[in-house]
Amino acid sequence: DAGVIQSPRHEVTEMGQEVTLRCKPISGHNSLFWYRQTMMRGLELLIYFNNNVPIDDSGMPEDRFSAKMPNASFSTLKIQPSEPRDSAVYFCASSQRAQPQHFGDGTRLSIL
Amino acid sequence: EDQVTQSPEALRLQEGESSSLNCSYTVSGLRGLFWYRQDPGKGPEFLFTLYSAGEEKEKERLKATLTKKESFLHITAPKPEDSATYLCAVQATGYSTLTFGKGTMLLVSP
Repeated sequence: DAGVIQSPRHEVTEMGQEVTLRCKPISGHNSLFWYRQTMMRGLELLIYFNNNVPIDDSGMPEDRFSAKMPNASFSTLKIQPSEPRDSAVYFCASSQRAQPQHFGDGTRLSIL
Repeated sequence: EDQVTQSPEALRLQEGESSSLNCSYTVSGLRGLFWYRQDPGKGPEFLFTLYSAGEEKEKERLKATLTKKESFLHITAPKPEDSATYLCAVQATGYSTLTFGKGTMLLVSP
């Protein structure tokens, strides 16, 4: 079975540019989560969708970050404009009801 | 606010040398405690869920246990392929989200 698929795997861009990260959850999963992982802060939840509806976005750092889930098989996390402090590994995870979350392999983002 | 603290931050073992990783937590009401394994360049991989104090789960050389304040991940006779970062997370009652600890980086030398 295909797991959670994220793209791109690596992204290097200059400060001020728009960055779009993409996620395809596991088919049949109704919850989707975006996380950010850094050495200093570990794995932090950014936003959580249930049935394509944003439920909790309290972890989104600021207005430069936005996330959408237009359908059950696709979600995006956008940063505009990007800043060097946004450099991190971004993970997407999905789950079905109360089952454990399954993670993708992440996007390693570097903002120069 | 839910909190998860893992110790030690890093652990180096010789092959065959058993040990335990600790996960201390505070949560308003525990729905579940999760253990994940993360390899370099990969996403966390689910290992176990524990739901109530006294519960134990086993998988190969790993055994997870749970009390009302902490969980242990016991590693028996580890092999080099057990080297990874082990993450602990809690889920509060009524919530779908997880709060993660910062992990324990385990290195097993041959």
